[in-house]
Amino acid sequence: QVQLVESGGGVVQPGRSLRLSCAASGFTFSSYAMHWVRQAPGKGLEWVAVISHDGSIKLYPDSVKGRFTISRDNSKNTLSLQMNGLTADDSAVYYCARDPAKGVPDYFDFWGQGTLVTVSS
Amino acid sequence: EIVLTQSPGTLSLSPGERASLSCRASQSVSSSYLAWYQQKPGQAPRLLIYGASSRATGIPERFIGSGSGTDFTLTISRLEPEDFAVYYCQQYGGPPLISFGPGTKVEIK
Repeated sequence: QVQLVESGGGVVQPGRSLRLSCAASGFTFSSYAMHWVRQAPGKGLEWVAVISHDGSIKLYPDSVKGRFTISRDNSKNTLSLQMNGLTADDSAVYYCARDPAKGVPDYFDFWGQGTLVTVSS
Repeated sequence: EIVLTQSPGTLSLSPGERASLSCRASQSVSSSYLAWYQQKPGQAPRLLIYGASSRATGIPERFIGSGSGTDFTLTISRLEPEDFAVYYCQQYGGPPLISFGPGTKVEIK
């Protein structure tokens, strides 16, 4: 069965960096685009980044562009999110999610359980 | 830019009743690229509907997606106790590339 397990969350000071990881199993990881989606406490969902199946296409919303970098290692079935210049507005549960498409962003058919990032001094 | 609005914000119903959730887009959503998700407290969202009306694998037939253009609806024909949750719509035609509605909470009356 499809499994997505996030890790790397924690408490970090404003301006610092954090790297999240997502371990995928139960499917052919290299055949799917992958996303990060976040949810601030008590709030709605916000899309954060997408990477195509082969890593050639990476896209971000303006809210994180230039600060966050998505990457993947298809040999290790791992998705990553490098977050720099963190602010309190980045505090959220971060989910990795599978996209049924290879390239053009689509919807999210499987989600991990999320990892909590808290930005606080 | 496509902005999604969901109504009502909260829907108070009893088990067995019919729920009708609305998702309206500020511009036409291309090719009905609209999805619906269910989220329960402390859990990740779960895909219910994609392409406006296609049920995801394993989703019961009581969940029905409909609509096109700017007006979409998620109908739950008869609410089961496990259906009380928050529901989000999501467009993936853009721009922006991907966006979510603010959610509708379906609570027990």
